[in-house]
Amino acid sequence: EVQLVESGGGLVQPGGSLRLSCAASGFTFSSYWMHWVRQAPGKGLVWVSRINSDGSSTSYADSVKGRFTISRDNAKNTLYLQMNSLRAEDTAVYYCARGDGADDAFDIWGQGTMVTVSS
Amino acid sequence: QSVLTQPPSVSAAPGQKVTISCSGISSNIGNNYVSWYQQLPGTAPKLLIYDNNKRPSGIPDRFSGSKSGTSATLGITGLQTGDEADYYCGTWDSSLSAHAVFGGGTQLTVL
Repeated sequence: EVQLVESGGGLVQPGGSLRLSCAASGFTFSSYWMHWVRQAPGKGLVWVSRINSDGSSTSYADSVKGRFTISRDNAKNTLYLQMNSLRAEDTAVYYCARGDGADDAFDIWGQGTMVTVSS
Repeated sequence: QSVLTQPPSVSAAPGQKVTISCSGISSNIGNNYVSWYQQLPGTAPKLLIYDNNKRPSGIPDRFSGSKSGTSATLGITGLQTGDEADYYCGTWDSSLSAHAVFGGGTQLTVL
């Protein structure tokens, strides 16, 4: 079964850091672009970041550029999102999603992990 | 405020048809494929339509997509109570260093 499972969410103070993980299974992880998409409570979807299949190319939404870092370990079939200098407005459910190509649709989504930034 | 514009809500009776619009500009919808996602309450989004009008395997043909210029439309026929969900359109924006963008979402109520 094709599956993405996120972990690493939790409660963190403003200015703190957190690393999210997304474990992939059921497909050849190293062949796909991967993305992070977030959704604040009661709000819509917002794209956060993407990484190409071998990890050599990344891009970020302006709201997280310089604070978040996306990476992947193809040997471990795992995607990461390192989040630093967290702000209250980063509070959201974070989903990892698979993209067939650079600008393709997100065809597989994880169940999400909640990140709450609060003192 | 979302880059793509969707109506906040739509409603229709079981068995009827509904359409959900998604409006953008030339740098996003006008020059890129549109996809649609269904998010049932408390669950992760699910891909419904990709490349403007294609359905992934397992998605019933009650769901359809179309695109014209800088707008796209999701159509759902034979509405069922299980279709009650939030629906999001998405695409890429060439003017934003190839960032993905979404609509604000449309809540579908099946009366």
